[in-house]
Amino acid sequence: EVQLLESGGGLAQPGGSLGLSCEASGFSFSNYAMGWVRQAPGKGLEWVSTITNTGDNTPYADSVKGRFTISRDNSKNTLYLQMNFLRAEDTATYYCAKSRKYCDSRNCQGAHYYDSWGQGALVTVSS
Amino acid sequence: EVVMTQSPATLSLSPGERATLSCRASQSININLAWYQQKPGQTPRLLIYGASTRATGVPLRFSGSNSGTEFTLTISSLQSEDFAVYYCQQYNNWPLTFGGGTKVEIK
Repeated sequence: EVQLLESGGGLAQPGGSLGLSCEASGFSFSNYAMGWVRQAPGKGLEWVSTITNTGDNTPYADSVKGRFTISRDNSKNTLYLQMNFLRAEDTATYYCAKSRKYCDSRNCQGAHYYDSWGQGALVTVSS
Repeated sequence: EVVMTQSPATLSLSPGERATLSCRASQSININLAWYQQKPGQTPRLLIYGASTRATGVPLRFSGSNSGTEFTLTISSLQSEDFAVYYCQQYNNWPLTFGGGTKVEIK
């Protein structure tokens, strides 16, 4: 069973920093792309960033580009999101999500939609 | 950026009725579209990918279709557990984009 467990949410001041972690289990983490999707209170879903299985490609939403950094440690089955220069509009629940994009040593298959989601980590940016 | 527009924002229906949810892409996305269901206080659940392929464990009453850039999620006969918010997402282009959601509520 796929499990994604986020940690690291909380309260940050505008201009401050916060880091999120997502520990994965139940699947071959190093073969799958992963992503972060956020949801502001009472609002819809917003894609934040994706990282390929090897970490060599990391697209970002324009709203977070230059401020957020996605990374992963395949030896620890863990996904990260470092958030700097936080703004009030970054307040949201951040979901770690497993992509259906699978790559092994020979080829890749699937695409960047998400078949498993963590429970979410609430990030509040307020003074 | 591909803009995904969902309609209606809210759909009020009774159990047993048919629900038809629409999602329009601002440009061609081929069939690179997924549908998700989110119930209050829960995480999103993948329902459909490739515009029409049901994810594992998704009941047969859920179906997806498309005509060009118009995509449709149909729930053939609403069950009590289907009242939720539904989102579409395109994965043809970066950035990935979601629609604003359609809430299916009990009439």
